[in-house]
Amino acid sequence: GAVVSQHPSWVICKSGTSVKIECRSLDFQATTMFWYRQFPKQSLMLMATSNEGSKATYEQGVEKDKFLINHASLTLSTLTVTSAHPEDSSFYICSASLDLLNTEAFFGQGTRLTVV
Amino acid sequence: QKEVEQDPGPLSVPEGAIVSLNCTYSNSAFQYFMWYRQYSRKGPELLMYTYSSGNKEDGRFTAQVDKSSKYISLFIRDSQPSDSATYLCAMRGAFGNAGNMLTFGGGTRLMVKP
Repeated sequence: GAVVSQHPSWVICKSGTSVKIECRSLDFQATTMFWYRQFPKQSLMLMATSNEGSKATYEQGVEKDKFLINHASLTLSTLTVTSAHPEDSSFYICSASLDLLNTEAFFGQGTRLTVV
Repeated sequence: QKEVEQDPGPLSVPEGAIVSLNCTYSNSAFQYFMWYRQYSRKGPELLMYTYSSGNKEDGRFTAQVDKSSKYISLFIRDSQPSDSATYLCAMRGAFGNAGNMLTFGGGTRLMVKP
């Protein structure tokens, strides 16, 4: 299957700092990427849809000023958690699809963020 | 009520058993159905996807969709300890219907004991 690479796989940061997470489609171009958040033993919660060359679409309840998304190219989307707080600690996962229908979505390996 | 319901488990089976994992859903607009496997602290891995009703087989895995009952299943034959993971069902509507976002079940944790 297609490969989606996410970096870093884990990060620890201090409260008040910002953290950037990268999501790359390695062997295909992705017009759209998706960012999810996952709490322990829970399913994936869609945070936002990242569109190449345009503004991201955020789900209800997700602060766009806190979770900045940039989709600068067809192979790279970034999620920046700004002014991080301990409650932002979570597992963040991105996905990208080979087709516009998002039928076969491939996920990155996830980033575990711990804010201390 | 959640759009997609999935028993969280854990489901514990002996090695070699046939495993049945299920999801029910309420949105009749869903047409594409996927199963993902997620190991601890890893991203989900796509196992199979099916369109509309019917069966699809891939090796030890069989996916079934019954749209009339709004019920999907994943069967794992000859289960192995390496199958121990959380299995997530996901689904979405036709293109243009609520975009191309996936709606996930909560996941079922499976443990296959040697």
